[in-house]
Parts: sequence; C-alpha cells; structure tokens
Amino acid sequence: LAKTTQPISMDSYEGQEVNITCSHNNIATNDYITWYQQFPSQGPRFIIQGYKTKVTNEVASLFIPADRKSSTLSLPRVSLSDTAVYYCLVGDTNAGGTSYGKLTFGQGTILTVHP
Amino acid sequence: NAGVTQTPKFRVLKTGQSMTLLCAQDMNHEYMYWYRQDPGMGLRLIHYSVGEGTTAKGEVPDGYNVSRLKKQNFLLGLESAAPSQTSVYFCASTQMGARGNTEAFFGQGTRLTVV
Repeated sequence: LAKTTQPISMDSYEGQEVNITCSHNNIATNDYITWYQQFPSQGPRFIIQGYKTKVTNEVASLFIPADRKSSTLSLPRVSLSDTAVYYCLVGDTNAGGTSYGKLTFGQGTILTVHP
Repeated sequence: NAGVTQTPKFRVLKTGQSMTLLCAQDMNHEYMYWYRQDPGMGLRLIHYSVGEGTTAKGEVPDGYNVSRLKKQNFLLGLESAAPSQTSVYFCASTQMGARGNTEAFFGQGTRLTVV
C-alpha cells in the first residue's frame, strides 16, 4: 500500500488559490489518487480523483505529473468555508489492477483560510 | 437515498461494558470500513470488509470485533470497553472498481465516551 506524505498545515486568505501537494513515491501502476475533505465533527467527503495529467470538477483541480509520484490539489479562490482537513489517498491494487480493498488515511493537511 | 447511516450517534459507556455500533448502507457497496478518529488526528482503520461474510484487520484492530452477515450492514463490537477507546467512530462504504477506485461514502460518526 503506497504511503502518502502531505504538509501538516497550511494557511491562506480568502480569494487566494491554494495548492496542496501530496507525495506518493511508491504508487502502484494501477492506483488512482483520491482527495477527501473533512470538516470538524463530520466524516470525510470525496473531492476529486485522478489517474494522470489533470482533472477538474466544480470544486477543485488535481494535477498529476507524468511520473505520478506526487499530486497537487488546487482550490481556486478559497473562502472561509474551505477551512478543513484535506486527505490524499492512493489505491490499494495489485499488479493486475485488482483492489485489495484496504483504505487508509494519513494525517492530512489542515487548511486554515483567514479573512 | 440515505447513504451510510451509523447507529447510535452518541454513547457513554462504563469501563468494561460492551456495545455494538451499527453501520448500514443502501448503495449495494461491496466494501465497508470502520475507523476511529481521536482529537487532532487522522482516521485510523480498525477493520474492513471486502464483501458479505468477510472481514479483515486494519491498523488498530485490538479490542474490537466486527461482523458482516449482510451486505448492507457492518457491525463493530467492543467486548470490554476501555477509556482508550473513547473516540469518534466513522463507518464508510465504497464500490471498488478497477484500479483501486476509492470514492468512499462516510457516515455521520458515532461519538463514544468510555468513563
């Protein structure tokens, strides 16, 4: 299972773009990269998922370089309501692409958005 | 759809008491998970299940047991509660596709206090 490394915390201001980078040096060939958001007293919520290059949805963008050893979650024009913990996860697959099923979270990145 | 529902939402136990937390999902997902989250920490995987009738240990399984007798339900049991098991417990489910698709859906959490 590929281990992920993220910054423990980040600070930003309203209206700025925030980029959170996750390192996953041992990612398997068939693994997807998934990001979750968690607010206090709530369960995590899926934000975005990708395999390579760039993925964009209404909430965020995900940039994945060619070597896939890292990924960057980009939040455009953050607001106070984006203050949360952000988790990066990679899949748990074998060489054939079959998932072992284990879903583990790291410490996550605490993003604090200031007025 | 209700998604993932956890019962109960709050509980106070005395040391040595037992209890069962219920997780129910209505999305026909194969994979289900139990996590615990202590203050200021990330989610730690307790046990998980890759299908009806199967269970597997996660990162912190000691002191807990689980059962998945029906596909839609995943039960977490504490046989003899200890103060160290005071935590917020989250259940999640997902339908793993090819390449470790890890878009998981979480319940609202159960806040357990052991005194």
